[in-house]
Amino acid sequence: DAGVIQSPRHEVTEMGQEVTLRCKPISGHNSLFWYRQTMMRGLELLIYFNNNVPIDDSGMPEDRFSAKMPNASFSTLKIQPSEPRDSAVYFCASRYRDGIYEQYFGPGTRLTVT
Amino acid sequence: AQSVTQLGSHVSVSEGALVLLRCNYSSSVPPYLFWYVQYPNQGLQLLLKYTTGATLVKGINGFEAEFKKSETSFHLTKPSAHMSDAAEYFCAVTHSGGYQKVTFGTGTKLQVIP
Repeated sequence: DAGVIQSPRHEVTEMGQEVTLRCKPISGHNSLFWYRQTMMRGLELLIYFNNNVPIDDSGMPEDRFSAKMPNASFSTLKIQPSEPRDSAVYFCASRYRDGIYEQYFGPGTRLTVT
Repeated sequence: AQSVTQLGSHVSVSEGALVLLRCNYSSSVPPYLFWYVQYPNQGLQLLLKYTTGATLVKGINGFEAEFKKSETSFHLTKPSAHMSDAAEYFCAVTHSGGYQKVTFGTGTKLQVIP
């Protein structure tokens, strides 16, 4: 298996622009997690899905952030409009079934908003 | 509710010395515990996990951890540090069930001094 795939790997955009991050989980995994990592705040859970349904989005910073999972093999995280404080590395992770199984992380998307 | 505390955001050891990274958890139900490692510019990857059974678990690269319920701890150890162990280490807790999110600690950066 190719593992969790994220695109793009790097994104540089200007403040106010829309940013879309993409994730393809491992086939057969039914839980998907979006995280944000910064030096100041560490690793933060933004949202997670189970069987394509959002279960907990309490970590989404504000209405500028939205996430979708239209099917079992694809998810997006959108920021509109983007702000410099959104600069971070965004990770997607997937997991097979329930908590007894580990998460598999993608390589991350490094977002820079100028 | 669940939480994880990692004591020491930075730990330095000499090459060949014992590595000890501390993790304490809080959980109202039996926990599943994980250690993940993150190398620079990469996603997190699993080192080892405890779910049930034997309380001393062995992972990759010579690491091991012991689940101590009475101390609510899950410390990570390695008898002899190698330069390649320099990375950031995260402890995480979750529970059984498909809807359980994973709570991560703040991470400990391990520096190995030659």
